[in-house]
Amino acid sequence: DAMVIQNPRYQVTQFGKPVTLSCSQTLNHNVMYWYQQKSSQAPKLLFHYYDKDFNNEADTPDNFQSRRPNTSFCFLDIRSPGLGDAAMYLCATSREKAGSSYNEQFFGPGTRLTVL
Amino acid sequence: AQKVTQAQTEISVVEKEDVTLDCVYETRDTTYYLFWYKQPPSGELVFLIRRNSFDEQNEISGRYSWNFQKSTSSFNFTITASQVVDSAVYFCALRREDSNYQLIWGAGTKLIIKP
Repeated sequence: DAMVIQNPRYQVTQFGKPVTLSCSQTLNHNVMYWYQQKSSQAPKLLFHYYDKDFNNEADTPDNFQSRRPNTSFCFLDIRSPGLGDAAMYLCATSREKAGSSYNEQFFGPGTRLTVL
Repeated sequence: AQKVTQAQTEISVVEKEDVTLDCVYETRDTTYYLFWYKQPPSGELVFLIRRNSFDEQNEISGRYSWNFQKSTSSFNFTITASQVVDSAVYFCALRREDSNYQLIWGAGTKLIIKP
């Protein structure tokens, strides 16, 4: 089945120690997103890639970076995690075409990040 | 201003009861898109439905049905004969036509189905 895969499902890191979360997709969608979701809150968009074009949300901290080496993979790098970065990180994909109506986003299972 | 309001923070019903989750949205756009997502305890957001602003037809999918009313800016979700597996947080979301792919999310409604 076509899907969005996130690894690892659970990640523990130390305060200030860089961490990388990965996302892969078999849907061949051209747009990939990274969301942060804290407990009892709605997801918050950090950034997205439209094909190779990176789009950062205005309020995303510089501590968060992303890479998309190819269509299938996308990485979230947290350079110096703080206690406030502990959250669920969700990757999503969608197929979008300029001038067409927007399509739904498909989400991966998420990576729960703990910062000690 | 663009906004999605899910006024019901938590709903608890007994299995087999019908339950309606409310979603009220605000937008000045004439073209927009509405979504419902389900987030079970496992954490994965599951897409349920997309509705375009120019399509006011209600939809039924098994035990799920959606009532879209532009006159009241509402897009409500009803589960008929609820089951324990329906227990989850349900999010309603709005996307504007020129939003650069940003979804405006409601706060979510936590639905608890008791056996």
